[in-house]
Amino acid sequence: AQSVTQPDIHITVSEGASLELRCNYSYGATPYLFWYVQSPGQGLQLLLKYFSGDTLVQGIKGFEAEFKRSQSSFNLRKPSVHWSDAAEYFCAVGGGATNKLIFGTGTLLAVQP
Amino acid sequence: GAVVSQHPSRVICKSGTSVKIECRSLDFQATTMFWYRQFPKKSLMLMATSNEGSKATYEQGVEKDKFLINHASLTLSTLTVTSAHPEDSSFYICSALPGAYNEQFFGPGTRLTVL
Repeated sequence: AQSVTQPDIHITVSEGASLELRCNYSYGATPYLFWYVQSPGQGLQLLLKYFSGDTLVQGIKGFEAEFKRSQSSFNLRKPSVHWSDAAEYFCAVGGGATNKLIFGTGTLLAVQP
Repeated sequence: GAVVSQHPSRVICKSGTSVKIECRSLDFQATTMFWYRQFPKKSLMLMATSNEGSKATYEQGVEKDKFLINHASLTLSTLTVTSAHPEDSSFYICSALPGAYNEQFFGPGTRLTVL
């Protein structure tokens, strides 16, 4: 079955600290992978995506993610977190003929001053 | 580019009434649009896939007679919640997929509250 797992429901980091949000997927074909961020009451903003090629993907706002096929993972990282990064982060996998996206349950990031 | 709008952003209605939510791709043509529902502190659940000029494909467990989807043009899809009840209160998000492209572009969402 196709699925996305984000093991961490809630993470708190100090401003300036590094961040890694975990994402594991189960997908039958070559996956397209996405990370989105959502502020309260808002829609989704795409941070970065992986379709093919270089497995280290750079995104907006200083985020990056690395696709590791052997681990079925696509973890999101940022070297230094800013207070404005506090939000909900969703990993998603998609592709195939239907282009449907399967979302993880999300990780809520809190940033301490 | 690739902007998707939703209207209204927030709606409050009485139980038993119907509510229509519009999703528009403002600067591209979308052969496919998707409708999602998001419960508080939960992930997005795909409700249906809407293709221009054809009937929507609903996910398992989604009542197609309650959630009517129309994709009449390449830039507009509508979701009508019929005979709304309090349990239909939720955040509804649409996305649009440009032709021959693999990335969905999301609207800002519509908060529906049914009293």
